[in-house]
Amino acid sequence: GAVVSQHPSWVICKSGTSVKIECRSLDFQATTMFWYRQFPKQSLMLMATSNEGSKATYEQGVEKDKFLINHASLTLSTLTVTSAHPEDSSFYICSARAAKSGTGPNSPLHFGNGTRLTVT
Amino acid sequence: AQTVTQSQPEMSVQEAETVTLSCTYDTSESDYYLFWYKQPPSRQMILVIRQEAYKQQNATENRFSVNFQKAAKSFSLKISDSQLGDAAMYFCAYASGSRLTFGEGTQLTVNP
Repeated sequence: GAVVSQHPSWVICKSGTSVKIECRSLDFQATTMFWYRQFPKQSLMLMATSNEGSKATYEQGVEKDKFLINHASLTLSTLTVTSAHPEDSSFYICSARAAKSGTGPNSPLHFGNGTRLTVT
Repeated sequence: AQTVTQSQPEMSVQEAETVTLSCTYDTSESDYYLFWYKQPPSRQMILVIRQEAYKQQNATENRFSVNFQKAAKSFSLKISDSQLGDAAMYFCAYASGSRLTFGEGTQLTVNP
């Protein structure tokens, strides 16, 4: 149980276009989803926290107009990279916390398999 | 702000041997949680072990155990009887509230 599906697993797009990445909790409801960015051989950097039905909370330095996050339902959050540039090329990972497990820090986080974005 | 530091970018161990990965953190909170995650080449994040700060007893999960030193803000991971499948990037992580902060990672190589 507790599967998080992230789609697509990889995408190549041209500079200036927008790309949407989906994060779905398949067998549980997720009140909170997190979006991370990971550069090669580096750590995961939290970009934003999204709660179902409300606006996402962005980390300092993350452009909210460039990285649009929508958490319209308890099973789906989307990250849209708008007007992508080559420097946006990275590995993006989502994680979700099950609604029934509470919101505390000990509540399990379930990670998607990530999306590799390449902007040419 | 909380920070997590992993001072070993790379470690290697012989198969069946024991290896310890280091992690230190900085926080002013008294109630928090610590985790070790494994990221194999598939990039999937896998929870290895977790520790509640209020518990003095060190967590163990089969071949994985931690040495949690709260006063020193240290949280090391010991892998016993290392297996080839343990080769991966290991991340130490700190959680207080809803946010999870990761360390820089340690790339573990297991030599046959």
